[in-house]
Amino acid sequence: QVQLQESGPGLVKPSETLSLTCGVSGYSINSGYYWGWIRQSPGKGLEWIGSINRSGITYYNPSLKSRVTISVDTSKNQFSLNLSSVTAADTAVYYCARPRTSSTYYVFEYWGQGTLVTVS
Amino acid sequence: DIQMTQSPSSLSASIGDRVTITCRASQSITSYLNWYQQKPGKAPKLLIYTASSLQSGVPSRFSGSGSGTDFTLTISSLQPEDFATYYCQQSYSTPTFGGGTKVEIK
Repeated sequence: QVQLQESGPGLVKPSETLSLTCGVSGYSINSGYYWGWIRQSPGKGLEWIGSINRSGITYYNPSLKSRVTISVDTSKNQFSLNLSSVTAADTAVYYCARPRTSSTYYVFEYWGQGTLVTVS
Repeated sequence: DIQMTQSPSSLSASIGDRVTITCRASQSITSYLNWYQQKPGKAPKLLIYTASSLQSGVPSRFSGSGSGTDFTLTISSLQPEDFATYYCQQSYSTPTFGGGTKVEIK
């Protein structure tokens, strides 16, 4: 059973960097798939942030690309999100997710429970 | 970006009703359309992928149809556990989601 769990600070100051980690259990990141970050805010709804594979190849949402870095640590079976220069508009519930198959990068079957990050 | 527009944004229905939610893409996405169900405080749950394929474990009362720019999610007989918010999402290009349809009890 694949499980994902987000962790990180729930409060970030404006202009600072939001950092979250997604721990994966029940599946080895080294075995494949692109692993994604998605956020949900009242103002913008659900928004895909970006995805990464075991080799560190990343795809980012063009609207956030200049501020986003996603990295992977296969030894710890986790991947991370850094979002720089945050503003109140970045306040959201942040989810990590895994696609349904290794070839359907953006069909998200497994999700973490989500973590609320407030920028204030 | 491809814009996804759902309608209605909310609806009220009774147990046993047939419910239809529509999703329109701003350009053709062929069949790269997925549907999710979300309950308060929970992560979205995948229901339908590639427009009409039922995700494993999802009840058969859920079905999806459409291609190109116009898509539909149908719940054939609404059950108590189906009251939730439903989102469409395109996976044709940079993924984007619809604004959601909240299904409430009449």
